[in-house]
Amino acid sequence: GQQLNQSPQSMFIQEGEDVSMNCTSSSIFNTWLWYKQEPGEGPVLLIALYKAGELTSNGRLTAQFGITRKDSFLNISASIPSDVGIYFCAGQGGNQFYFGTGTSLTVIP
Amino acid sequence: NAGVTQTPKFQVLKTGQSMTLQCAQDMNHNSMYWYRQDPGMGLRLIYYSASEGTTDKGEVPNGYNVSRLNKREFSLRLESAAPSQTSVYFCASTGQGAHGYTFGSGTRLTVV
Repeated sequence: GQQLNQSPQSMFIQEGEDVSMNCTSSSIFNTWLWYKQEPGEGPVLLIALYKAGELTSNGRLTAQFGITRKDSFLNISASIPSDVGIYFCAGQGGNQFYFGTGTSLTVIP
Repeated sequence: NAGVTQTPKFQVLKTGQSMTLQCAQDMNHNSMYWYRQDPGMGLRLIYYSASEGTTDKGEVPNGYNVSRLNKREFSLRLESAAPSQTSVYFCASTGQGAHGYTFGSGTRLTVV
């Protein structure tokens, strides 16, 4: 299957700090998605990106579709304790989405 | 609430036992998927059904079978469970106009 490299693997940050994570692929994707998974739950869609260069925000979250179409970035500003969870990127190839291995975020109050 | 419903939420099996994981969606989505999630490996696709009446293998299909019972329901069967199938299983669906997948809340399966 397609390999998506997501980094960092984990982050421990202080409440109020900004967070950046990214996802890279060896393949070109037409769609990038970012999901958040909380303990005991399934992933929930945060942001969808459909065009190279697109920058989209959802509250304190901002994501970008890389110009090369092989990468995407997610930023969280002014983190709060409820941001804790695992963040997954996903790229669409054909009729499937391929997922990164996730970034585990811990926010220290 | 509209969404994807998975049952059961938890299950413990003995090696060699069989079981079926159920999934149903009420969003009129055409496509449904089964993933497994293991620590450090993200979500790996087991099987998917692009539309009612069709099923295809994903990345890790060995040891599993699926049935697309109708447009709403997509079940995953383990015929002879093995400890390597201990995992969290997620069902997802998508359709025209949908943004990405909608996931169920998962089934945590332990095979002893």
